[in-house]
This record gives sequence, C-alpha cells and structure tokens, in this order.
Amino acid sequence: GAVVSQHPSWVICKSGTSVKIECRSLDFQATTMFWYRQFPKQSLMLMATSNEGSKATYEQGVEKDKFLINHASLTLSTLTVTSAHPEDSSFYICSASPGQGRSGYGYTFGSGTRLTVV
Amino acid sequence: RKEVEQDPGPFNVPEGATVAFNCTYSNSASQSFFWYRQDCRKEPKLLMSVYSSGNEDGRFTAQLNRASQYISLLIRDSKLSDSATYLCVVGYGNKLVFGAGTILRVKS
Repeated sequence: GAVVSQHPSWVICKSGTSVKIECRSLDFQATTMFWYRQFPKQSLMLMATSNEGSKATYEQGVEKDKFLINHASLTLSTLTVTSAHPEDSSFYICSASPGQGRSGYGYTFGSGTRLTVV
Repeated sequence: RKEVEQDPGPFNVPEGATVAFNCTYSNSASQSFFWYRQDCRKEPKLLMSVYSSGNEDGRFTAQLNRASQYISLLIRDSKLSDSATYLCVVGYGNKLVFGAGTILRVKS
C-alpha cells in the first residue's frame, strides 16, 4: 500500500518553456502532498506543501509564481515550472502520507522527475 | 547550523562489516524520526522509523536520544546491496527535514 506515482520520470525542455509534473496517490487519499527539489550531492529541500482545495504553502525563497502548484483532488497534485531556466534543472520529488499529513506516519515518495532545461 | 547534520562520508567498508551512522538535529520540538535510504538517482525509501526505546529490523538497529538530540543507525553484516546514501530525517508538524545523507559503499 501507500504508493505514490510521479510523472514524467525525466524531461528535457527548452529555456523559457513550462513543464508540468504530476504526483498521484494511487491507493490512498492525500489531503496534503509535498514537493521537494534535490540538486546533485545535496539534500532534499522542501519547496512547498500542497493542500487539497486550497493554496499551497511555499517555503522561504521559493517563488510561488514560478513554481505553480495545484491540488485539485485528493489524489493528484501538480507542479508546473514556468518559464524554466537552466538553473531550474534538478530532481523534483513529491511525497504524501496516508497519515493525512502527520509526519509521524512517514511519507512515501514518488519516483522523482529529473528536469533538464537547455 | 543545519537543522539535521550528518557525516557525509563516504564510508567504505568490506562485506560483513558493522557500520554506524550518526545524526544530530537542532529543533527540540521535533516529533518523529526516520532513516531513509536513497539509491543513486532514485527517490528516498523509508528504511525505518526511530524510537527512543530503540528499534531493530533484521540487520538494522536505530536509536534515538532526545536529550542529546542524536539519532543513530547501525548496520550489521553489511551486504553489497546496502551501498546507498542514508538520510536522517526529522519531522515536526507535517514537515520532514532531511539531512544531506551519508554515503555507504560496501565492497567485496
């Protein structure tokens, strides 16, 4: 149980274009999902908390107009990287918990999306 | 100071060795503690939760010392397949904070 599916696994896009990444909880409902970014040899950094039916909560330093998050249903959250630039190239990972956002339950991660902006 | 600190390693050990990883965290309000494993270019996967009473899962033993804000992971009888990055993770509220990870390389 507790499977999180993320799509696409990798994407290459031109500078200035937008890329949408989907994160789905397959066998549970997730009112809260999380989006992380990981640069090479660095730790996962939380970008934002996605809340079903309401606005996402962004971490300090993350531009909400650049990283658009939509959590329209209990099983789907999307992250859109708008006007992507080479410095946005990174590994983006989503996570969710069957414990409805309480960290003590641990989290399941999607398989990640490797974004390369050229 | 980072919220979660780990020795980055790498730890290069022979098969069958016992290896210990340490982690410290700065937020005394932290409520939950985990070790995750991340293979190269893959997503993190939960290895085990960590409790003050200590917990063991096969060859893996985790320990938490709340007073010292210190977490440990012990791996006994290392296997080649244990080679990965081990992430110390601390949770509070609904957030997880990740350490940068400790690289383990088990060699034959």
